Amino acid sequence: GENVEQHPSTLSVQEGDSAVIKCTYSDSASNYFPWYKQELGKGPQLIIDIRSNVGEKKDQRIAVTLNKTAKHFSLHITETQPEDSAVYFCAASKGSGGSNYKLTFGKGTLLTVNP
Amino acid sequence: GAVVSQHPSRVICKSGTSVKIECRSLDFQATTMFWYRQFPKQSLMLMATSNEGSKATYEQGVEKDKFLINHASLTLSTLTVTSAHPEDSSFYICSANSGAYKEQFFGPGTRLTVL
Repeated sequence: GENVEQHPSTLSVQEGDSAVIKCTYSDSASNYFPWYKQELGKGPQLIIDIRSNVGEKKDQRIAVTLNKTAKHFSLHITETQPEDSAVYFCAASKGSGGSNYKLTFGKGTLLTVNP
Repeated sequence: GAVVSQHPSRVICKSGTSVKIECRSLDFQATTMFWYRQFPKQSLMLMATSNEGSKATYEQGVEKDKFLINHASLTLSTLTVTSAHPEDSSFYICSANSGAYKEQFFGPGTRLTVL
């Protein structure tokens, strides 16, 4: 089955700096890669996703890049703010119907943005 | 994005009792919902895929007789933890696919504490 590795496990940055979180996946058939933000005691919130037919996607301060050949994808957050502090999870799936929408998650990155 | 709700948000029960958790898609229909369990400071672990009108598909190692799943309508799936024990204490989260690209949206989670 799919295996998703995520690094680093913790990341501390100063407000205004950039943060980068990296993930690798093992199944070359995976074609959908979402990123989730989870605040303490809450469910994960989808913040951005990318499909295998594009290499990069951006939404304001957040961007995701995908390298299919190397089987890795990254989350980039620019101009970080204290409210960006949370646990971030990457995930991968085959993205087609029924059970193929099953997500495999990385272990998470605890991002702390210091004011 | 699509809205998924869960009820209750917190439940405390005695060992040996059964607990039912509801997951609802509020503004869309979901033929497939997913149930996850998350232990403190860990990632989300998929327990089962809930299919409307048919039996759930359980992940390896998850006891189907202990974690009963019913997906009776296109907007409601329930997870019943039968004869709960302290080791079942965890954060249970459901999700559902929505939209043209089948993004997966998560509920707010249910904190189960078994005394």
